[in-house]
Amino acid sequence: DGGITQSPKYLFRKEGQNVTLSCEQNLNHDAMYWYRQDPGQGLRLIYYSQIVNDFQKGDIAEGYSVSREKKESFPLTVTSAQKNPTAFYLCATTPQRSGNTIYFGEGSWLTVV
Amino acid sequence: KNEVEQSPQNLTAQEGEFITINCSYSVGISALHWLQQHPGGGIVSLFMLSSGKKKHGRLIATINIQEKHSSLHITASHPRDSAVYICAAGPNFGNEKLTFGTGTRLTIIP
Repeated sequence: DGGITQSPKYLFRKEGQNVTLSCEQNLNHDAMYWYRQDPGQGLRLIYYSQIVNDFQKGDIAEGYSVSREKKESFPLTVTSAQKNPTAFYLCATTPQRSGNTIYFGEGSWLTVV
Repeated sequence: KNEVEQSPQNLTAQEGEFITINCSYSVGISALHWLQQHPGGGIVSLFMLSSGKKKHGRLIATINIQEKHSSLHITASHPRDSAVYICAAGPNFGNEKLTFGTGTRLTIIP
C-alpha cells in the first residue's frame, strides 16, 4: 500500500541527547514536511523540502535538523539545542508544493525524561 | 501571517445529529483544507476546496470566499465520527505557508 511511515511511534529521550525521527514515503511525492503539534495549538511547520538535496526552514526550525538525500526519506533530528522537545511530530507529503491534498503519517510521540 | 480560528473548540452530540464546525481565516487564500485527526494521532485529509461546496458521503464542506469562512457539516453523525477536526488555510502559493487551526474535538454519544 502507498503511504507514509513514521517511526518510532513513541520515543523517550534523555536531556542532552539527539534523536532522529524517521519519515519514509512511497507515494512518489516531491514535497515533504515536518510539523510539531502541542496541546491547544495548531500544527507548526519545522522544516520542508520540495526536492532532493534541498530543504527550507519553517516557522520553528531552531533546535532541529533535517536531510533529504533520497526522494522517499526525510528524517528529522531533534537536537539537544531544542529546549522543549516533548511534543507530537507529524510528517506530511504533497505531490508538489502547492494546491494539493496533504498526506500525513501516523506521527511520533517524543518525550524528554 | 494568516490567522485561522475554529469554533466550537469542543462539541458533544447525540448519534444522528447534524454537526457543523466552523472555520474563519484572516487573509485571502487559494486552498482551505479540512483534516480529521484520530485518537491515535494520525491525520487524514477530508477536503481541499477553494470555492463552493464539496461532498463526500455524510461529510459536506462549504466555503464563502467573501466572508472568509468555511464550514464542515456531518449528517447523521455516528460515534465513529468522534475525532478532532482541523482546518488549515493557505495563501496563493506554497503549502508550506498553510496555517492550521487548533481543532474542534467532536464526541458523538451513542
